[in-house]
Amino acid sequence: EAAVTQSPRNKVAVTGGKVTLSCNQTNNHNNMYWYRQDTGHGLRLIHYSYGAGSTEKGDIPDGYKASRPSQENFSLILELATPSQTSVYFCASGDAEGNSDYTFGSGTRLLVI
Amino acid sequence: GDSVTQTEGLVTLTEGLPVMLNCTYQTAYSTFLFWYVQHLNEAPKLLLKSSTDNKRTEHQGFHATLHKSSSSFHLQKSSAQLSDSALYYCALAPSSFSKLVFGQGTSLSVVP
Repeated sequence: EAAVTQSPRNKVAVTGGKVTLSCNQTNNHNNMYWYRQDTGHGLRLIHYSYGAGSTEKGDIPDGYKASRPSQENFSLILELATPSQTSVYFCASGDAEGNSDYTFGSGTRLLVI
Repeated sequence: GDSVTQTEGLVTLTEGLPVMLNCTYQTAYSTFLFWYVQHLNEAPKLLLKSSTDNKRTEHQGFHATLHKSSSSFHLQKSSAQLSDSALYYCALAPSSFSKLVFGQGTSLSVVP
């Protein structure tokens, strides 16, 4: 069954440390997305990708990097984690067509202390 | 720019009463509109979508009609159930090859 899998499910990180969130999709979708979800803000787009080797800045990219080494994998990297990056992070995949709905992963809950 | 507005942050309903969650949007393009539902500690999932003006779209007891004249895509259900308690997102695809634009979400709480 086609799916989007995120790892880890939960992560505790130290301020100033490096954090990598991973996402793998078996949907063969071209596009992948990273969102963070915070109460009162809904889903906010951090980075996205149109295919292997491509990354684009979303609406709130500061403090985050992304990497898309293959069609299936899309990582979100926090080089210097800060407590303000404590959040729930969702990865999603979608076809290139605008009418394509997204398939979301189950989320990664990140706590930066 | 393209935007989606969900005016209610939190809606609390008694079981059995009708549900209506508001969604309006702004875009210069022909569009697809979506509703996603997210239950507690789960991923958002597609509930329904539409691009056809004035056509009712239904799924899992919910329905919505895209009205391009008023730029609206309200989500409705005739009778709320406890299991409908969730976070609901309205989203817009402004055009082909555009990424989705999400509203801020409406949290629906159905109480006995």
